[in-house]
Amino acid sequence: GDSVTQMEGPVTLSEEAFLTINCTYTATGYPSLFWYVQYPGEGLQLLLKATKADDKGSNKGFEATYRKETTSFHLEKGSVQVSDSAVYFCALSGAGGTSYGKLTFGQGTILTVHP
Amino acid sequence: NAGVTQTPKFQVLKTGQSMTLQCAQDMNHEYMSWYRQDPGMGLRLIHYSVGAGITDQGEVPNGYNVSRSTTEDFPLRLLSAAPSQTSVYFCASRLGGSARFGTDTQYFGPGTRLTVL
Repeated sequence: GDSVTQMEGPVTLSEEAFLTINCTYTATGYPSLFWYVQYPGEGLQLLLKATKADDKGSNKGFEATYRKETTSFHLEKGSVQVSDSAVYFCALSGAGGTSYGKLTFGQGTILTVHP
Repeated sequence: NAGVTQTPKFQVLKTGQSMTLQCAQDMNHEYMSWYRQDPGMGLRLIHYSVGAGITDQGEVPNGYNVSRSTTEDFPLRLLSAAPSQTSVYFCASRLGGSARFGTDTQYFGPGTRLTVL
């Protein structure tokens, strides 16, 4: 079945540092890929998405590129802020068969940014 | 639009009690689903529905019931609560259709934090 693996956390950075959170996936067909963010005490919000190979999703300074050859969708930001402290989830939306339309999540990565 | 709403926000149950978590959306989305979030495990799909009158099981359906009598509402019932069901529950919805129509993004409610003693 489909699966998503995120890098182990938590991640602690200083403000203005570069951020990478690794995400790899296993899926049949051509799934859509997502990054969701969860701020403390809140639900999940869509951060960015990509629907086909080589697509780059971007939002709020965050970027991720859909790499089919390496089955990856790593999240990057050039300069993090304290307000980026949150839990980040990589997810895929199944493309075919019984997994169609279902979201499969990674385990989440806690990011803490210090001033 | 209110988006996806969930009630209650917090709930404490005793083992063996039953309750219903409410979920509603006002975006005319066909597809609705329930997830539970546990530490270190991400979100796992409990049940989902592709339209009124149609429901199916997800990854972790045991101990939960759902029904979908209207497009707007998708309640989740705990039949006999157990401590293992202590979790945060999220409802989500999306339009039908595939990625090429741009309708595969799921929108999440604020969650219900459930504790079973």
